[in-house]
Amino acid sequence: GQQLNQSPQSMFIQEGEDVSMNCTSSSIFNTWLWYKQDPGEGPVLLIALYKAGELTSNGRLTAQFGITRKDSFLNISASIPSDVGIYFCAGLGNYGQNFVFGPGTRLSVLP
Amino acid sequence: DGGITQSPKYLFRKEGQNVTLSCEQNLNHDAMYWYRQDPGQGLRLIYYSQIVNDFQKGDIAEGYSVSREKKESFPLTVTSAQKNPTAFYLCASSIGPGGNEQFFGPGTRLTVL
Repeated sequence: GQQLNQSPQSMFIQEGEDVSMNCTSSSIFNTWLWYKQDPGEGPVLLIALYKAGELTSNGRLTAQFGITRKDSFLNISASIPSDVGIYFCAGLGNYGQNFVFGPGTRLSVLP
Repeated sequence: DGGITQSPKYLFRKEGQNVTLSCEQNLNHDAMYWYRQDPGQGLRLIYYSQIVNDFQKGDIAEGYSVSREKKESFPLTVTSAQKNPTAFYLCASSIGPGGNEQFFGPGTRLTVL
């Protein structure tokens, strides 16, 4: 079946630094969603992408739908302590009825 | 306020007992979903419902059951047949099925002793 990989698995950064993470697959996807999850809470939707090449921002967050349709990227600029959490990507394939979720990237921000 | 609620937040049960997790939404969404989350893994789909009185098995439905008698409610029962039920359970909803954005509840952590 379709699978998503996320890298890096975890990252430690200094407050104020920019962050980049990605989500890749061997399959083509039509929709990408990016979520953030705080410990013990449900994921919160950050950005939704619907077209190849699309670049969408939400405050300090920017996500892109890869041209090949097999990947997506999330950037966070000028990180702050509340950015700590796990970031998940989710993709919907050509023939998929439901989203597939990646394993997540765990972000830690050091003061 | 519109949203998705799950209760309880924490649940403890003895092995061999069935347990039902509640999920309610007042977003007027047609589709609802149940996911299971284990440490270090992505969300795995247990069951989903695209419309009232209809539901479909997801990737890991064995040992679980659901009902969808009302649009706003989608309870999940973890039966004694589920071999490893301790996990974090997440409910989600979307306006419609397929590619619509899913919104999640706060989750229920189930621990089976």
